Amino acid sequence: DTGVSQNPRHKITKRGQNVTFRCDPISEHNRLYWYRQTLGQGPEFLTYFQNEAQLEKSRLLSDRFSAERPKGSFSTLEIQRTEQGDSAMYLCASRLLVSSYNEQFFGPGTRLTVL
Amino acid sequence: KNEVEQSPQNLTAQEGEFITINCSYSVGISALHWLQQHPGGGIVSLFMLSSGKKKHGRLIATINIQEKHSSLHITASHPRDSAVYICAVGGSNYKLTFGKGTLLTVNP
Repeated sequence: DTGVSQNPRHKITKRGQNVTFRCDPISEHNRLYWYRQTLGQGPEFLTYFQNEAQLEKSRLLSDRFSAERPKGSFSTLEIQRTEQGDSAMYLCASRLLVSSYNEQFFGPGTRLTVL
Repeated sequence: KNEVEQSPQNLTAQEGEFITINCSYSVGISALHWLQQHPGGGIVSLFMLSSGKKKHGRLIATINIQEKHSSLHITASHPRDSAVYICAVGGSNYKLTFGKGTLLTVNP
């Protein structure tokens, strides 16, 4: 247990439905990252927050995706009108922006299956 | 060409063997990470390197910044080391770019 939690751990949904995932980082960590990992591939960057500000979004994050971190603590990632291509593991990581030597701590991931 | 290349993609070893996984990258970095991922998805950070060499137990990680290359070594491998090992590099904002991973299977 790294201290980063994600819920739910698994989500099965039908194409066209909306889904929302939650990430709770380590409490004092001010940087929070979302990554997506498809089968057999390494994770890919989606977006990241410093406190409540979303500082960067990947081109992978289409208009159907939105992420928030309203109070600079937990974050949510919502996918609207899901498509089969959205099936993946969604990973969250957090780190403390104090020095350049602080590593990222990963959550267990949310595995999404779109039928 | 991917920004982070790992080799080999798959590696099978016998218990006790010395294992090396390689990572090459093509971008400027602030740090390189070696991560371990077990079936089920959870990722654990093994090392974060910006220069030189680090050792933790049976694991050793090295990086050559000039050559943009890193290696992860496992001495006296054990079946519990079986996992996917992922190399990732971070830039100034520390968002990570990942390799595809190396699937290691250590047989008893």
